[in-house]
Amino acid sequence: DIQMTQSPSSLSASLGDRVTITCRASQTIGTFLHWYQQKPGKAPKLLMYSVSTLQSEVPSRFSGSGSGTDFTLMITSLQPEDFATYYCQQTYSTPPTFGGGTKVEI
Amino acid sequence: QLQLQESGPGLVRPSETLSLTCTVSGGSININSYFWAWIRQSPGKGLEWIGSVHHSGGTYYNPSLKSRVTISVDTSTNQFYLKVTSVTAADTAFYYCAKESGRGPAGFWGQGTLVTVSS
Repeated sequence: DIQMTQSPSSLSASLGDRVTITCRASQTIGTFLHWYQQKPGKAPKLLMYSVSTLQSEVPSRFSGSGSGTDFTLMITSLQPEDFATYYCQQTYSTPPTFGGGTKVEI
Repeated sequence: QLQLQESGPGLVRPSETLSLTCTVSGGSININSYFWAWIRQSPGKGLEWIGSVHHSGGTYYNPSLKSRVTISVDTSTNQFYLKVTSVTAADTAFYYCAKESGRGPAGFWGQGTLVTVSS
């Protein structure tokens, strides 16, 4: 299985901050990299797919970059609704695997 | 608007079989380019992809669970199913059903259902 490693596992930030989350794959996955946001008690929600394509209605303060094995999710100007846990996922090979998550908190 | 809803027992005894149903509404399960997946989440193991099924009946499974898991689909009822045999406490988790694009992400998720394995 391809291992997905996220860092940091948690971070503290303030409203208006810029936040960067990193995801590293144990082998190259091309652009088969997706990001999810999960709030407490809710299912994960697809935020971005294929590295950098925003799901509909996701604000443009979210952006993604990377290729191969190293990927980044950036949130510019953190808003109250952005406090959540973020997961990366690869679908390059079966089984699809997720990172361990990054909790963004105040 | 597409909705997915998991249903099934919230408590399963050790060594028994966990059975869940996902009902798809607001859209057809008969879409060639999509798969219907089960994903679980437990505090100890994070998010784990269990497997997926195509409306044609084709399936993919996580090798770590393949010997105990069966995923099936019923296009006449717009539902798909999960069975996990010989469960242990390690199978305690929130179970989600989801719609996946081929080799793509899970774009739609059910709200999830908690299954506890305990005697």
